Amino acid sequence: DIVMTQSPDSLAVSLGERATINCKSSQSVLKSSDNKNYLAWYQQKPRQPPKVLIYWASTRESGVPDRFSGSGSGTDFTLTISSLQAEDVAVYYCQHYYSIPLTFGQGTKVEIK
Amino acid sequence: EVQLVESGGGLVQPGGSLRLSCAASGFTFSTCIMHWVRQAPGKGLVWVSRIHPDGNTPMYADSVKGRFTISRDNAKNMLSLQMNSLRAEDTAVYYCISYCLGAPLWGQGTLVTVSS
Repeated sequence: DIVMTQSPDSLAVSLGERATINCKSSQSVLKSSDNKNYLAWYQQKPRQPPKVLIYWASTRESGVPDRFSGSGSGTDFTLTISSLQAEDVAVYYCQHYYSIPLTFGQGTKVEIK
Repeated sequence: EVQLVESGGGLVQPGGSLRLSCAASGFTFSTCIMHWVRQAPGKGLVWVSRIHPDGNTPMYADSVKGRFTISRDNAKNMLSLQMNSLRAEDTAVYYCISYCLGAPLWGQGTLVTVSS
């Protein structure tokens, strides 16, 4: 199984400041057949389903504000919120969909400092 | 509208059974691999099962193998999860998911509570 490890587990950022979440996979999720990283990022608020922010590691989902960006390839990935807003308080998860079983990171809780 | 809508959750006693459904619309369901993922209260996300478009080679997490059965009806655009011998640790919100549109597509989830 591919193990997804996020860091940090939680972070507190001032409004308008940058938030950075890292995700490391135990093996590469870059598929050579299509040169795509099978990695997604989600935002989850209490009592809501996960919301897709980023897929293919760096493609922003339609309707997601451009302050959210994803980067990385292979085994190391980053989600960046360029200017934190109050509505961004949530838990963020990375997930690979490269193989079975699909696995998720443990989650990173983002709060306002 | 492209969407997945789960149903069938509820309260069930340990050892009981429940059948979850996921209705797909707005995309070609019959060509898509489908998954179930669950989230226990206050916990993270865990993959449960996967089924191919033709219904063959279903796969399961070890924690549900032999108790859960995934199936689909492509004529009705419906995905199902039959859950037997339920345990307290199966208590969770269950989501159906598709990755065949590029962006992952999730339903809103259905809550299963296993308790006496």
